[in-house]
Amino acid sequence: GQQVMQIPQYQHVQEGEDFTTYCNSSTTLSNIQWYKQRPGGHPVFLIQLVKSGEVKKQKRLTFQFGEAKKNSSLHITATQTTDVGTYFCAGGGSARQLTFGSGTQLTVLP
Amino acid sequence: DGGITQSPKYLFRKEGQNVTLSCEQNLNHDAMYWYRQDPGQGLRLIYYSQIVNDFQKGDIAEGYSVSREKKESFPLTVTSAQKNPTAFYLCASSATGMNTEAFFGQGTRLTVV
Repeated sequence: GQQVMQIPQYQHVQEGEDFTTYCNSSTTLSNIQWYKQRPGGHPVFLIQLVKSGEVKKQKRLTFQFGEAKKNSSLHITATQTTDVGTYFCAGGGSARQLTFGSGTQLTVLP
Repeated sequence: DGGITQSPKYLFRKEGQNVTLSCEQNLNHDAMYWYRQDPGQGLRLIYYSQIVNDFQKGDIAEGYSVSREKKESFPLTVTSAQKNPTAFYLCASSATGMNTEAFFGQGTRLTVV
């Protein structure tokens, strides 16, 4: 079945540094979604990418979808303590269900 | 307010007992999902339902059962056959299939002693 790998599993950064998490699928995806889960909370939708090579920005967050629609990345510029949490990618495939990556847990040190 | 509600937030059960986790949504979503989250792991799909009275097994369905008698409700039963039931359980819903965003409930943390 479809597998979605996400790296790194953990990332510690100093406040103000940049952060990137990567997502790779074993199969071509129809779309990729990104979610953020704050400590003790539940995942909250951030964005969806559908088109090959698509790039979207939300303030300091930049999301990319690969040309082959098998990989994606989330980049945060100049991290802040409010960025702390676990970031998940989720790939949509032919089975009309989302397959979640294992997540990247981001710690921002003040 | 529209949303998806899981109850209870914390649940303790003795080993060998079945337990049912509640999930209700008033978003008028057709699709509903149950995920299990363990420390350091992603969200693993237990069961999903695209329409009332129909549901499908996910990746880790063994030891779990669900029902979808109403559009708004998708309860999950953790049976005694589930070998390692202690986990954080998340329910989600979305409009027609998963090419739209999923809305998650607050989660239920189940501890089996």
